[in-house]
Amino acid sequence: RKEVEQDPGPFNVPEGATVAFNCTYSNSASQSFFWYRQDCRKEPKLLMSVYSSGNEDGRFTAQLNRASQYISLLIRDSKLSDSATYLCVTDTGGFKTIFGAGTRLFVKA
Amino acid sequence: GAVVSQHPSWVICKSGTSVKIECRSLDFQATTMFWYRQFPKQSLMLMATSNEGSKATYEQGVEKDKFLINHASLTLSTLTVTSAHPEDSSFYICSAGGLADYNEQFFGPGTRLTVL
Repeated sequence: RKEVEQDPGPFNVPEGATVAFNCTYSNSASQSFFWYRQDCRKEPKLLMSVYSSGNEDGRFTAQLNRASQYISLLIRDSKLSDSATYLCVTDTGGFKTIFGAGTRLFVKA
Repeated sequence: GAVVSQHPSWVICKSGTSVKIECRSLDFQATTMFWYRQFPKQSLMLMATSNEGSKATYEQGVEKDKFLINHASLTLSTLTVTSAHPEDSSFYICSAGGLADYNEQFFGPGTRLTVL
């Protein structure tokens, strides 16, 4: 079983739609959680950290459920520029960073 | 955020040659850098952790004699793929971390290696 699992998608949504991605992790020692965005053939870029209380950054909302070892990302009012692969990432401390394989999102006009 | 560069961005080589990839932190000193490899449609896989002035720590399954890592200064780490073969063709990304409380990593733009 992979340490971080994501639905690979692709998710095809129209502009303005709300889309949610889920991610599960198996290592209960994971301490930090992140969502990264990766454009085709580019390096991943940090989208947002995920906190236990949940956090929001503009159109993006991240949630963490430690009991279920589950992380989510919600994107509201999708833009064409949101098309990318979204990577769920966990860190057990000491930089033991594990990346999910990513969920591909296509936003169409 | 901090800036990390990689060079070259794209390299094509013949099987059997060695390829060196440089990773530089441009505006900060990185005591620790990481090397990842990413095959198409797969996740980033950590290859090794590189600490300035000491030997790199390799992940299980990564051959240290094939992937030579040097971190001679606080701003430069290099990865050398020795005797490259077509199966080594991949996207190699470095990152530097430890600048924030939440362990954010700053990634280089990646190097796409194609071995013919």
